[in-house]
Amino acid sequence: ETGVTQSPTHLIKTRGQQVTLRCSSQSGHNTVSWYQQALGQGPQFIFQYYREEENGRGNFPPRFSGLQFPNYSSELNVNALELDDSALYLCASSFGSSGNTIYFGEGSWLTVV
Amino acid sequence: AQSVTQLGSHVSVSEGALVLLRCNYSSSVPPYLFWYVQYPNQGLQLLLKYTTGATLVKGINGFEAEFKKSETSFHLTKPSAHMSDAAEYFCAVSFNFGNEKLTFGTGTRLTIIP
Repeated sequence: ETGVTQSPTHLIKTRGQQVTLRCSSQSGHNTVSWYQQALGQGPQFIFQYYREEENGRGNFPPRFSGLQFPNYSSELNVNALELDDSALYLCASSFGSSGNTIYFGEGSWLTVV
Repeated sequence: AQSVTQLGSHVSVSEGALVLLRCNYSSSVPPYLFWYVQYPNQGLQLLLKYTTGATLVKGINGFEAEFKKSETSFHLTKPSAHMSDAAEYFCAVSFNFGNEKLTFGTGTRLTIIP
């Protein structure tokens, strides 16, 4: 139990639709990151939020966007879904500077048909 | 750009045998190094991490890893495999001071043979 909760756990969307995934960080954590893990691959960094501001972005198109709220919970939004967006989306929270432990949620499985 | 290479996408060992999972990284600056484990249909759990200091790092479940700068390696070992160790293992690296953006390897699936 990492204290990071994600919802929904599974969902199916149609190509072209939009999806919102949610993450509740561990209490006291002010940094949240999102990762995409395609089947059989390692997680890939999408972006990170620190105190409600985007703090870095990986190699993902603008249709991947996010928000972090004052209570440090977070959302990942994906517009114009493509089949290749089918993956496990992982949220990770931490506090402060590098070297601190990062806690991952169990992920949201997205299937795009 | 930083990268992580995990040699061997699948590793099988007998119960009670030594577990060795290999990880090499590329970097021009000192990295932070991590090993994560992922059980089926679950998220990632931190096994151990190297930030600074002692190069031999001990983690949970009897795992340990040694940071070897000259070899740019951070191999994961466990002296005696247990059936419960069967899982996917990911090596990851962070090079950015002040944040925790991780670059992951492609993973190694560990199978334990009874």
